[in-house]
Amino acid sequence: AQSVTQPDIHITVSEGASLELRCNYSYGATPYLFWYVQSPGQGLQLLLKYFSGDTLVQGIKGFEAEFKRSQSSFNLRKPSVHWSDAAEYFCAVGATTDSWGKLQFGAGTQVVVTP
Amino acid sequence: DGGITQSPKYLFRKEGQNVTLSCEQNLNHDAMYWYRQDPGQGLRLIYYSQIVNDFQKGDIAEGYSVSREKKESFPLTVTSAQKNPTAFYLCASSLSSTSTDTQYFGPGTRLTVL
Repeated sequence: AQSVTQPDIHITVSEGASLELRCNYSYGATPYLFWYVQSPGQGLQLLLKYFSGDTLVQGIKGFEAEFKRSQSSFNLRKPSVHWSDAAEYFCAVGATTDSWGKLQFGAGTQVVVTP
Repeated sequence: DGGITQSPKYLFRKEGQNVTLSCEQNLNHDAMYWYRQDPGQGLRLIYYSQIVNDFQKGDIAEGYSVSREKKESFPLTVTSAQKNPTAFYLCASSLSSTSTDTQYFGPGTRLTVL
């Protein structure tokens, strides 16, 4: 079974500064990888996903993520954060060998943006 | 507008009561899911349905029940057997149940047991 770890529970970043959120996965093959964002009291919105091919994936809202097989990582980055980026971010991994697409979610990283 | 709606947004339940959370989608998706979210634990899968009239238990199905009589609807009942039901509940759907189909989420229902 797949699993995913987000080592940082909480990150504080200044507006305009860069942001990197870490995600490490455990899976026997190349998994499908996702990043979702959740604003307070809301559902989750997909930021980007990786299935195969180019290991640098571009998403919405200026986010990108890089798949590194050697490090079992799929870190999310944004060059310059905006106050509206304050939210909780979830990394998720999907199995490529199951008959259905169960997603395993990480515990999330809360991002606070300061002026 | 196509999307997923959940109702109510907030729900209060007395101990010993069953309550039903509504989830409706007009995306014409075959697959639907229920997740429970607790602080610091991410999302945990309660039940999922790959097609109408079929559903399967997820990781934490005890104390919950579902039905899938219509493609667009996937209600979740939290029964009195659920020991700690206070949580944020999220419904999701996807075109099919394969891993490559994006799951779209509703706005959630916050359930509080009084």
